[in-house]
Amino acid sequence: EAQVTQNPRYLITVTGKKLTVTCSQNMNHEYMSWYRQDPGLGLRQIYYSMNVEVTDKGDVPEGYKVSRKEKRNFPLILESPSPNQTSLYFCASSPVRGPVRNTEAFFGQGTRLTVV
Amino acid sequence: QQQVKQSPQSLIVQKGGISIINCAYENTAFDYFPWYQQFPGKGPALLIAIRPDVSEKKEGRFTISFNKSAKQFSLHIMDSQPGDSATYFCAASTSGTYKYIFGTGTRLKVLA
Repeated sequence: EAQVTQNPRYLITVTGKKLTVTCSQNMNHEYMSWYRQDPGLGLRQIYYSMNVEVTDKGDVPEGYKVSRKEKRNFPLILESPSPNQTSLYFCASSPVRGPVRNTEAFFGQGTRLTVV
Repeated sequence: QQQVKQSPQSLIVQKGGISIINCAYENTAFDYFPWYQQFPGKGPALLIAIRPDVSEKKEGRFTISFNKSAKQFSLHIMDSQPGDSATYFCAASTSGTYKYIFGTGTRLKVLA
């Protein structure tokens, strides 16, 4: 089954304790991205990656890091989490089909993070 | 200029009625306008999408109406069903960027 898998689904942590949320896709998609979803704000892009070893900042990158060492994996790293990073996080992937036509984004199930 | 403004924030519709959600954008470089449907505890999933070379696209009970001059697009759900109760997000993107700008979401509740 084609899917984007995030782990963990739920996480409660304390301020300052480094954490990693994993994301893996089995569709051989080049493009992967991370979003955070907050009430009244919709989904905002944190980081994205067009391919292996190519990453760039989205709209709200502060406090986050990413890496793309393999095509299928795109982990999100919070080196020193703070309460304002309490949110619902989604990983998404898309195939890259050239500059002309955009394509559907496939989303994972989400990771609900609480930082106390 | 990057914003996509979505309204209403919430919507209650009787079963069999029409649900209408509206979005407006400023960036004329946007050329792909998808709608995503999200059920509680799930990630968003593509529902229907339109490109600005057409004014309307219909898939089953779901229709996107697109007004290029007004920079507005809307989702119409005909014969709304309780199973349509979900949060709906409009989005906009520019070809080649693969980056989506999402609206703030509309929580739809269809009463049985």
